[in-house]
Amino acid sequence: DVKVTQSSRYLVKRTGEKVFLECVQDMDHENMFWYRQDPGLGLRLIYFSYDVKMKEKGDIPEGYSVSREKKERFSLILESASTNQTSMYLCASSSWAGRAFFGQGTRLTVV
Amino acid sequence: GESVGLHLPTLSVQEGDNSIINCAYSNSASDYFIWYKQESGKGPQFIIDIRSNMDKRQGQRVTVLLNKTVKHLSLQIAATQPGDSAVYFCAETVGAMNRDDKIIFGKGTRLHILP
Repeated sequence: DVKVTQSSRYLVKRTGEKVFLECVQDMDHENMFWYRQDPGLGLRLIYFSYDVKMKEKGDIPEGYSVSREKKERFSLILESASTNQTSMYLCASSSWAGRAFFGQGTRLTVV
Repeated sequence: GESVGLHLPTLSVQEGDNSIINCAYSNSASDYFIWYKQESGKGPQFIIDIRSNMDKRQGQRVTVLLNKTVKHLSLQIAATQPGDSAVYFCAETVGAMNRDDKIIFGKGTRLHILP
């Protein structure tokens, strides 16, 4: 079975903290993605990566950065967490022009 | 511009009936389309996909129809069951077959099954 694993299901962080969300895939996929999902807004792309050390901004990159040092791992970093970053974060991976597989999601609350 | 949208945010269907969930896309260059199902508290799961060189594709109890003329995509679920209750997303790949393709999602339709 293919697997995309996110390091945490639930996180609570304080405003101003630096937050790391980790994602690992075991399918040797080239592409990896970070989305956030909010009620009424659907899935919005934050960043994506099509190769190790490569990254591209998505639709809402402000306040986030990413790291991809190894093919299987894609990290999302909130440099200084704010309450408006409270959301469900979804990681996904895909091969070129292929279907994306999603992790189970991380529900982040910033207080 | 690129956008993927759905006609209805919520769809209520009687158990045992067929469900039809619709999706409109705006980018005529998109050539790969996917339907996902997301149950409460879980990540989206792949249901079925279709490439732009096809009009119809069938899976188990699901059929996807693609009308490129009007840029419309639909998901048909036969004999809807309680386990089909979820939010359904359509998605398009812009620049499919290119190295840096990305997936654009619609906002989703909630399917509610009536007993």
